[in-house]
Amino acid sequence: DAGVTQSPTHLIKTRGQQVTLRCSPISGHKSVSWYQQVLGQGPQFIFQYYEKEERGRGNFPDRFSARQFPNYSSELNVNALLLGDSALYLCASSLGPGQPNQPQHFGDGTRLSIL
Amino acid sequence: AQSVTQLGSHVSVSEGALVLLRCNYSSSVPPYLFWYVQYPNQGLQLLLKYTTGATLVKGINGFEAEFKKSETSFHLTKPSAHMSDAAEYFCAVIVTGGFKTIFGAGTRLFVKA
Repeated sequence: DAGVTQSPTHLIKTRGQQVTLRCSPISGHKSVSWYQQVLGQGPQFIFQYYEKEERGRGNFPDRFSARQFPNYSSELNVNALLLGDSALYLCASSLGPGQPNQPQHFGDGTRLSIL
Repeated sequence: AQSVTQLGSHVSVSEGALVLLRCNYSSSVPPYLFWYVQYPNQGLQLLLKYTTGATLVKGINGFEAEFKKSETSFHLTKPSAHMSDAAEYFCAVIVTGGFKTIFGAGTRLFVKA
């Protein structure tokens, strides 16, 4: 079975631009979470979506938004990019929230570089 | 608020030596605790998890961790390090309700031949 897939793998943007990152969860998983991992730090929670609804949001500005589609895939959008947005963006899928016995499965991430 | 602290950003051991990576958590309710491993240019892979029940948890690749409520710790150990264990390790806690996972800052493990 395919794991969590993210696209693109690498992306270079300039300040002020907008970016869309994509994630396809493991088949059967209905929950998708997004994390930002700055070099040398642990992942920071951005969003969780379950059944196409936002269920949790981290401490990120409104420039960050996301959505989940009927097939449970998800997009993360970041507007007005700043140099500090340079990071590895990780997507994780799980059966659903509130089920810690069902761990999150992570994709390999999208490396976003802002020039 | 729940939080995770990993002691030591870098740990270096010799091949065959004991691996000990430290993690302390802060939680007002019984936590759900996890250890993940990250190899270069890859996502995170679950090593092991503690939810309820037995406090000594065994994971993949010979790793194990013990939940100690009195010490608010969840340290990761492996009796004998292999070169392939060199990676970044993250301790994490799930916020009650399961909507958010909080990660520690990570510990990079170096294994010397």
